Amino acid sequence: GAVVSQHPSRVICKSGTSVKIECRSLDFQATTMFWYRQFPKQSLMLMATSNEGSKATYEQGVEKDKFLINHASLTLSTLTVTSAHPEDSSFYICSARQGWSNQPQHFGDGTRLSIL
Amino acid sequence: DQQVKQNSPSLSVQEGRISILNCDYTNSMFDYFLWYKKYPAEGPTFLISISSIKDKNEDGRFTVFLNKSAKHLSLHIVPSQPGDSAVYFCAASGVEETSGSRLTFGEGTQLTVNP
Repeated sequence: GAVVSQHPSRVICKSGTSVKIECRSLDFQATTMFWYRQFPKQSLMLMATSNEGSKATYEQGVEKDKFLINHASLTLSTLTVTSAHPEDSSFYICSARQGWSNQPQHFGDGTRLSIL
Repeated sequence: DQQVKQNSPSLSVQEGRISILNCDYTNSMFDYFLWYKKYPAEGPTFLISISSIKDKNEDGRFTVFLNKSAKHLSLHIVPSQPGDSAVYFCAASGVEETSGSRLTFGEGTQLTVNP
């Protein structure tokens, strides 16, 4: 149980393109979904937290107009990297949690984004 | 400010022996702690968690110990297997007024189990 599917797993595109990443909880309803970014040899950095039906809460330093998050249902959240540039190249990972605190987050397999 | 620290970037053990991964935290508001395992190019996989009301939680080969006074937790894997080779992340969360209860991760420890 507790499977989170993230798609696509790999994206290579030109600078200026907008890229959408989907995160789905397959066998549970996710009250909260989280989006992380991981740079090589570093830990996961939380970008934003989203609850179904409400606006995402962004971490300090994360541009909300650059990284658009939609959490339209209890099983789907999307992250759109708008007008991506090479510095946006990274490994993006989503997670989903059923219920509130003291429940583990379950992670997708991540999306490797490469902007040329 | 690194609130969750894993001071050992790597650990190497022999198959069959015990692996001990350590994690320290500074925020006394943390009340829920988790360990995740991560393979390259994959998302982290949840292993085991512990609430601050406990000092030990066991699940098969994995045991997590929590020492609140020292703000320290550890993950014991016994016996270690080559398939356990991965990066292990410690994470913590605390009670927050908002509904987020976000996780703060350590930097990770690369465990290598040698056959």
